[in-house]
Amino acid sequence: EAQVTQNPRYLITVTGKKLTVTCSQNMNHEYMSWYRQDPGLGLRQIYYSMNVEVTDKGDVPEGYKVSRKEKRNFPLILESPSPNQTSLYFCASSPKAGHPGRNTEAFFGQGTRLTVV
Amino acid sequence: RKEVEQDPGPFNVPEGATVAFNCTYSNSASQSFFWYRQDCRKEPKLLMSVYSSGNEDGRFTAQLNRASQYISLLIRDSKLSDSATYLCVVNFNFNKFYFGSGTKLNVKP
Repeated sequence: EAQVTQNPRYLITVTGKKLTVTCSQNMNHEYMSWYRQDPGLGLRQIYYSMNVEVTDKGDVPEGYKVSRKEKRNFPLILESPSPNQTSLYFCASSPKAGHPGRNTEAFFGQGTRLTVV
Repeated sequence: RKEVEQDPGPFNVPEGATVAFNCTYSNSASQSFFWYRQDCRKEPKLLMSVYSSGNEDGRFTAQLNRASQYISLLIRDSKLSDSATYLCVVNFNFNKFYFGSGTKLNVKP
């Protein structure tokens, strides 16, 4: 089954304790991206990756890191989480970016609800 | 100013009604446009892409107006199962996606 898988689905952690949220897709998509969703603000892009070893900042990258060593995986790293990073996080993948039309539609993981206390 | 603006609603409509949502975007160079549906904090799922010529999928019709920089979604014969939040999404600069904050629809019996 074609899917984007995120883990964990729920996480409660303490301020300053490094954590990683994993994201994996089995559709051979080139483009992957991380978003956070907060009430009233919608989804905001954190980082994206056009392909292996190619990553770039989205609109809200502060406090986050990513890596893209393999095409299928795109982990999100919070080196020193803070309470303002409490949010619902989504990973998404698309066949390609830069090709308007169907090939840019995004497929989302089920989300990771993170609470930092 | 937000890149993508939507009326948050909620739109409360009876079953069978026709309802329309609009969404405006700020960047005239935007290239791709979509409507996604999101159920109660679950992952967004693609409802339909929006093409310049307009497109229809069953009860759903999407339109794009590049001159005025807005896209619309029309839902005919609303069903209870259409109750959800509808997200307007715009892609430009080849690699960035901008989401509206969503319009909530409640379809009531």
